[in-house]
Amino acid sequence: DGGITQSPKYLFRKEGQNVTLSCEQNLNHDAMYWYRQDPGQGLRLIYYSQIVNDFQKGDIAEGYSVSREKKESFPLTVTSAQKNPTAFYLCASSLGGAGGYEQYFGPGTRLTVT
Amino acid sequence: GQQVMQIPQYQHVQEGEDFTTYCNSSTTLSNIQWYKQRPGGHPVFLIQLVKSGEVKKQKRLTFQFGEAKKNSSLHITATQTTDVGTYFCAGHFKAAGNKLTFGGGTRVLVKP
Repeated sequence: DGGITQSPKYLFRKEGQNVTLSCEQNLNHDAMYWYRQDPGQGLRLIYYSQIVNDFQKGDIAEGYSVSREKKESFPLTVTSAQKNPTAFYLCASSLGGAGGYEQYFGPGTRLTVT
Repeated sequence: GQQVMQIPQYQHVQEGEDFTTYCNSSTTLSNIQWYKQRPGGHPVFLIQLVKSGEVKKQKRLTFQFGEAKKNSSLHITATQTTDVGTYFCAGHFKAAGNKLTFGGGTRVLVKP
């Protein structure tokens, strides 16, 4: 059963702690993306990766970090430097670059930082 | 920066009626995609439009790409309760590299 998995579904952290969100895909897709969605808002791109060991900043990369050591995995770390980390985080993948390929989304992780 | 604006932000529709949501960009798009996100869910791809003036249909949904490739629309006929959710357009700007820029979405509520 192919798809994208994100874990956990809900995550609670105290302010000042770093937290890593998991994203795994078994679709053999080259490109992977991380988006942030705030209540009633659209999706804002945090980071994206087109191939293993390479990634680029999106529109709101400050306070976040990523790695792409394996094709199927693209974890996102929300650092203590991110001023408003509470949000819904969505991971996506596509066969190639976003220009001509649909994106497949995971179920998301709702992060609450207090 | 390059932005994609979507209107309206909210759409209350009586079941059985039609409605349209619009997506606008100030600069030319390479292509545009549409996604649907059900309440509490994740976005799911609906369609991609590439050519100027392109029109595509999926059952009760009609998607259009403007002649200048700066705007797009989604028209739903005979709205059903299953149409509830948020519809996003996502544009690809050639100069922006391999990423999509999402509009703010149109949240659709259906009155039975």
